[in-house]
Amino acid sequence: GAGVSQSPRYKVAKRGQDVALRCDPISGHVSLFWYQQALGQGPEFLTYFQNEAQLDKSGLPSDRFFAERPEGSVSTLKIQRTQQEDSAVYLCASSLLEGGTGELFFGEGSRLTVL
Amino acid sequence: AQSVTQPDIHITVSEGASLELRCNYSYGATPYLFWYVQSPGQGLQLLLKYFSGDTLVQGIKGFEAEFKRSQSSFNLRKPSVHWSDAAEYFCAVGPLNTGTASKLTFGTGTRLQVTL
Repeated sequence: GAGVSQSPRYKVAKRGQDVALRCDPISGHVSLFWYQQALGQGPEFLTYFQNEAQLDKSGLPSDRFFAERPEGSVSTLKIQRTQQEDSAVYLCASSLLEGGTGELFFGEGSRLTVL
Repeated sequence: AQSVTQPDIHITVSEGASLELRCNYSYGATPYLFWYVQSPGQGLQLLLKYFSGDTLVQGIKGFEAEFKRSQSSFNLRKPSVHWSDAAEYFCAVGPLNTGTASKLTFGTGTRLQVTL
């Protein structure tokens, strides 16, 4: 498709399990962002990539969260030893321009539920 | 730290009525300002953005927003609401002069319900 694709759309994990969430940005988009959206809240910034370089990871809530974009296209957000407070929708967004000054295109999100 | 306040959690309007959604921000300077819409099961879609220049910004789907520096506000308006406008609306700010305008800070959202 032409938009940002995220998988899985829904993930249920038992507390302590590791999960991996995938994002396929729009082809050619330089910038890629991950946001976390808790229930009833606005999205919160997690991390930002410019091509394969992770330029900002200041929003990652703990060292259990790890993101990568090794070839400058697909990105994976990994959460180790999941906790209940990790339950949220994880949104990926991409932008054509460097620095994300262009329009952000969001995927539909991956909803993570930790039991 | 920058913050965004959307004081109305839930608004109900009749189809055809006018709409205004409030947004106030706290920031050391004029940030980049955005409004996004999120329909159930859908990703966030950009309605409009303000970077500089004319303080009245036109967006998609008939929406507009006005930046008022003196009030630190960026309220979203639509003269006549359609039933398909029912959704969650988010105001967001992005940092100026850091090259990452899309490192956005979002408000908590306003859920719009449209009655027929």
